[in-house]
Amino acid sequence: DVKVTQSSRYLVKRTGEKVFLECVQDMDHENMFWYRQDPGLGLRLIYFSYDVKMKEKGDIPEGYSVSREKKERFSLILESASTNQTSMYLCASNGRTRENLYGYTFGSGTRLTVV
Amino acid sequence: GQQVMQIPQYQHVQEGEDFTTYCNSSTTLSNIQWYKQRPGGHPVFLIQLVKSGEVKKQKRLTFQFGEAKKNSSLHITATQTTDVGTYFCAGPGGGGSNYKLTFGKGTLLTVNP
Repeated sequence: DVKVTQSSRYLVKRTGEKVFLECVQDMDHENMFWYRQDPGLGLRLIYFSYDVKMKEKGDIPEGYSVSREKKERFSLILESASTNQTSMYLCASNGRTRENLYGYTFGSGTRLTVV
Repeated sequence: GQQVMQIPQYQHVQEGEDFTTYCNSSTTLSNIQWYKQRPGGHPVFLIQLVKSGEVKKQKRLTFQFGEAKKNSSLHITATQTTDVGTYFCAGPGGGGSNYKLTFGKGTLLTVNP
């Protein structure tokens, strides 16, 4: 069964801390994504990567950066955590399947609380 | 930029009733995808529609893609409590990427047993 694994299910961090959220996929997918999900706002794309060492800004990249040193791993970095970054963070990956589908596989999410 | 809108935002039904959620895009889509997120869970891919006017079924779920490839619908026949969750549509594109998805805000379905 294909998997996207996020390193932590729950995290509590202090304002100003540097925070790393890790995501690993075992499907050899080219594309990986970081979304945040907030009530009433839906899923919003932060950053995505279509290849190793490649990254592109999504709709809300401010306050975040990413790293993709290996194909299977995509990290989201909060440079200096703030309370408005309290959210559910979802990692996803996709790639072409035999059926020519591009559906995302999501990780279980990391619920980050910044205090 | 590209926008994907879903209605209704919420829908509460009695078990056994039908349910429909609608999705509209501001641009023509190459394909549309549907996801389900159970309470406390993460979105799970349900289906992808590609062709104009396409209709696909998964048991009690029927998915349609509009002729102009700008709208879609998900219909559930005879809802069950296991159908509870938020249903999202998503379309690719925007920002020059065909792999990046723009999600609708979803329709939260609750089912009264």
